[in-house]
Amino acid sequence: NAGVTQTPKFQVLKTGQSMTLQCAQDMNHNSMYWYRQDPGMGLRLIYYSASEGTTDKGEVPNGYNVSRLNKREFSLRLESAAPSQTSVYFCASRVMSASYTDTQYFGPGTRLTVL
Amino acid sequence: DQQVKQNSPSLSVQEGRISILNCDYTNSMFDYFLWYKKYPAEGPTFLISISSIKDKNEDGRFTVFLNKSAKHLSLHIVPSQPGDSAVYFCAASPDSNYQLIWGAGTKLIIKP
Repeated sequence: NAGVTQTPKFQVLKTGQSMTLQCAQDMNHNSMYWYRQDPGMGLRLIYYSASEGTTDKGEVPNGYNVSRLNKREFSLRLESAAPSQTSVYFCASRVMSASYTDTQYFGPGTRLTVL
Repeated sequence: DQQVKQNSPSLSVQEGRISILNCDYTNSMFDYFLWYKKYPAEGPTFLISISSIKDKNEDGRFTVFLNKSAKHLSLHIVPSQPGDSAVYFCAASPDSNYQLIWGAGTKLIIKP
């Protein structure tokens, strides 16, 4: 049981390049999330998927797209990377039972630098 | 406009003493609060939570207190251990919402 896995762990891009961050969970969770964390700030939600087949914008969606490929996988795509997207990206998943109080489980993060 | 604020970026505590981490929020619609712990190069892990119908929740060395009138919560760690050195995030959830609103985190350093 690996929990939430993310690839790659590190990535350096040049401005304008594109890339996809991959996330997978093996806990049969319904909901998945993409966050970014910048120095001195809390985690900010980029996009989330409440269940397979649905995606919704979070607090900071501009410059990103997502795909919920199946129940296990949720990818984040940067179509044209900008230096402002330099950050640490975390993927998370959650059971999303009838109670909204169940917790989120996080992957180890992807550290992205855009030059 | 930060809805969840952790005003202390860092806190240093002697091993064996009590660590108190604070969190303030502005949105009275928040009714569920969580604390997460994060080590370097790892994702956050869930530590403890509290519902707004309670004012205290305890789990071993960790206790969270909620003061709704002051819109303030705190995490107490007693006794503090070296392995507690980490960044602690406070997060809040409004009713019937999938999203968590996060504070900026407090870096806790436990001195031997």
